[in-house]
Amino acid sequence: NAGVTQTPKFQVLKTGQSMTLQCAQDMNHEYMSWYRQDPGMGLRLIHYSVGAGITDQGEVPNGYNVSRSTTEDFPLRLLSAAPSQTSVYFCASGRDTEAFFGQGTRLTVV
Amino acid sequence: LAKTTQPISMDSYEGQEVNITCSHNNIATNDYITWYQQFPSQGPRFIIQGYKTKVTNEVASLFIPADRKSSTLSLPRVSLSDTAVYYCLVGDIRQAGTALIFGKGTTLSVSS
Repeated sequence: NAGVTQTPKFQVLKTGQSMTLQCAQDMNHEYMSWYRQDPGMGLRLIHYSVGAGITDQGEVPNGYNVSRSTTEDFPLRLLSAAPSQTSVYFCASGRDTEAFFGQGTRLTVV
Repeated sequence: LAKTTQPISMDSYEGQEVNITCSHNNIATNDYITWYQQFPSQGPRFIIQGYKTKVTNEVASLFIPADRKSSTLSLPRVSLSDTAVYYCLVGDIRQAGTALIFGKGTTLSVSS
């Protein structure tokens, strides 16, 4: 099993550009979520899903969209990138008791 | 969601036992306590979880007093590879796999 796979690992965007961070899991978990981590900080919840077709906002949802059309995939869309969205993004899938995290995507917006 | 308070940083030497305490005064009846470990440039990794008393696994022990207002993660005989950030999370067990709320965590530095 690959676990949680995030692509790309690194990305540089110009202000105003849009892009999609991909997240896929092969553990058949119902739960998936997206977090961002700024330097020296803990992770902050962006959006999460408790099953296909169901999404909800987390602590810092502004500027991001998500959809969950399949159990396996949970893409995160940046509609118009801003320098404040420079961060490391982590995707996680989970079962009832614990979450499993991907290796992260390091995004820089210039 | 119960707020947690942990020390920002701790230092230790190889071979010592490290205890990291987390305060969660407003913990709810349905809340469990979960600890995650994060190495640099990696996503967090589940370490241990408990509701009350003591839980032990191959990595750590978790001590929870009867009032559940705090908990202590115990790492026996740490090594250099235990240098990481440790997060204490408190929340409903039914959502322990999603919608996690992290604090700043405790940065543990282990020296030789």
